[in-house]
Amino acid sequence: QVQLVQSGAEVKKPGASVKVSCKASGYTFTDYNFHWVRQAPGQRLEWMGWISTDNGDTKYSQKFQGRVTFTRDTSASAAYMELSSLRSEDTAVYYCARETSYSGYYYPYYWGQGTLVTVTT
Amino acid sequence: EIVLTQSPATLSLSPGESATLSCRASQTVSNNLAWYQQKLGQAPRLLIYTASNRDTGIPARFSGSGSGTDFTLTISSLEPEDFAVYYCHQRYYWPNTFGQGTKVEMK
Repeated sequence: QVQLVQSGAEVKKPGASVKVSCKASGYTFTDYNFHWVRQAPGQRLEWMGWISTDNGDTKYSQKFQGRVTFTRDTSASAAYMELSSLRSEDTAVYYCARETSYSGYYYPYYWGQGTLVTVTT
Repeated sequence: EIVLTQSPATLSLSPGESATLSCRASQTVSNNLAWYQQKLGQAPRLLIYTASNRDTGIPARFSGSGSGTDFTLTISSLEPEDFAVYYCHQRYYWPNTFGQGTKVEMK
């Protein structure tokens, strides 16, 4: 069965960086791509971007462009999200989500448990 | 960027009633739109893909319709477990986007 296990909660100071990992199991890692989505407390889902697990291509939301980097390690079956220059507004739960194919259409389907990142002085 | 506008923000209904949720895109997204349900403290769950197709295991009371810029999620007879927040999500353009959500709450 597909499982996505994310790294644990983080507390960071403003200006710092955070790196969240998402380890996948139960399938061939490079067969499906990943999205990163965040959700501030009590707020909406916010799409951050996408990474191809096959070749590492990335797409980022303009809101995070320049501050976020997605990477993957195929040998470890893991995807990573690094966000820099953190500010209090970045306090949120960060989710990785693996796509599933529906006749050539791909949507985030399997989700990690979420990683709470708290930015505070 | 495609903006998805969901309405209403909140629906207050009783079990057994039907719910109609709207999602309007600022440009056409063809049929490349999904609906997710999110309960408090949980990750989202995919309900509907390509605007009108129910995912495996999703009850028949959930249905989606629309194409282009106007989409609807209908829950025909609300069960207690359906009270949650619902999001639409487009994958037609980069960057992908989510709507701001509609909360279906118990009256």
